[in-house]
Amino acid sequence: AQTVTQSQPEMSVQEAETVTLSCTYDTSENNYYLFWYKQPPSRQMILVIRQEAYKQQNATENRFSVNFQKAAKSFSLKISDSQLGDTAMYFCAFMKPAGGDDKIIFGKGTRLHILP
Amino acid sequence: DAGVIQSPRHEVTEMGQEVTLRCKPISGHNSLFWYRQTMMRGLELLIYFNNNVPIDDSGMPEDRFSAKMPNASFSTLKIQPSEPRDSAVYFCASSLRFEQYFGPGTRLTVT
Repeated sequence: AQTVTQSQPEMSVQEAETVTLSCTYDTSENNYYLFWYKQPPSRQMILVIRQEAYKQQNATENRFSVNFQKAAKSFSLKISDSQLGDTAMYFCAFMKPAGGDDKIIFGKGTRLHILP
Repeated sequence: DAGVIQSPRHEVTEMGQEVTLRCKPISGHNSLFWYRQTMMRGLELLIYFNNNVPIDDSGMPEDRFSAKMPNASFSTLKIQPSEPRDSAVYFCASSLRFEQYFGPGTRLTVT
């Protein structure tokens, strides 16, 4: 069974700094998807970024980028020039597409505080 | 696109009462998921549907919980009878391919 591990329950950084959130996963699959979701205090779950395992290039969305290391089964999220609005819970997630079975496995989350 | 719509946003009920949570997925999406989130257990998948058919309900905690999807644009999650330990935020999410989009959640409080 696939598992997703986020080893940092909570982190704090100063505004404008760069922060990296860690995520490791366990799977025997070769084709899969990885995601980072953000849950701010409003509790809305927001998709931040997606990575396809068959792509070697790391995904980037504005200030958010990932470091995808397939062999190491690592998928970290880097937030550059952090802003107060980045304060949120961040969930790493894994999905193995299987024709109608689109179940996502979520990690326990990392609570990120951006300090003014 | 209005996104995933959930109602009600907040529900307070007494133990023993029936609770029905509602979800309207994004138009065109063919998979729908119900999650429960608590501080103790985090985000748990309860059940999901593909093309209105339940695929995996192994996360449903007990027989008091049931879910239906009568058509592609509507789903319900029912708890009967409700108990205080059911207090949580319940999310509905929908997807077409590989990305799930979440609704705003329903905060349920059972007293």
